[in-house]
Amino acid sequence: GIQVEQSPPDLILQEGANSTLRCNFSDSVNNLQWFHQNPWGQLINLFYIPSGTKQNGRLSATTVATERYSLLYISSSQTTDSGVYFCADFNSGGSNYKLTFGKGTLLTVNP
Amino acid sequence: SQTIHQWPATLVQPVGSPLSLECTVEGTSNPNLYWYRQAAGRGLQLLFYSVGIGQISSEVPQNLSASRPQDRQFILSSKKLLLSDSGFYLCAWSQFGGYTGELFFGEGSRLTVL
Repeated sequence: GIQVEQSPPDLILQEGANSTLRCNFSDSVNNLQWFHQNPWGQLINLFYIPSGTKQNGRLSATTVATERYSLLYISSSQTTDSGVYFCADFNSGGSNYKLTFGKGTLLTVNP
Repeated sequence: SQTIHQWPATLVQPVGSPLSLECTVEGTSNPNLYWYRQAAGRGLQLLFYSVGIGQISSEVPQNLSASRPQDRQFILSSKKLLLSDSGFYLCAWSQFGGYTGELFFGEGSRLTVL
């Protein structure tokens, strides 16, 4: 099955700083999503981005499917951005119903 | 709009006791349904998925089971809990079709087995 690698595993920022999170895939990208898990555990959908670039406020994401990676940009970070960020994609070559997750990037934004 | 709910949000159970977590989706029909578990250390592990009533696929052999008695209802069960069953359980849904579509998660159920 597809392997999903996220970097960095941990990131500490001061409020107001910018950051880039990366997701690499071992196989072709089909159905990439970015999630934010808040401190209460809820997984919030950030982007559904199989290819191209999308922006939502201070967050934007770019997926380069041909090179098997995706980037999540956070600008002017706020303490509420803290939490774990996951990327995920469907397995390719097997069941197309299974979303495989990376291990996440733990972001801490300090005031 | 579509919504997904799961309950209970938190539970503490003794080893050997049964488990039932319930998940329902509203505002859509014939969704794909999923149970994920997140143990300490962040990783999300797919436990079960279902593409229709009574159709359950298991990803990881264990003492858990899943059932889908109705189109938009997904239940995670165990007859006898183990300590290793502790974790954060997340139900999710996606539009039927498989190849495309976003996955949406419920609020999660935190299980502690003592």
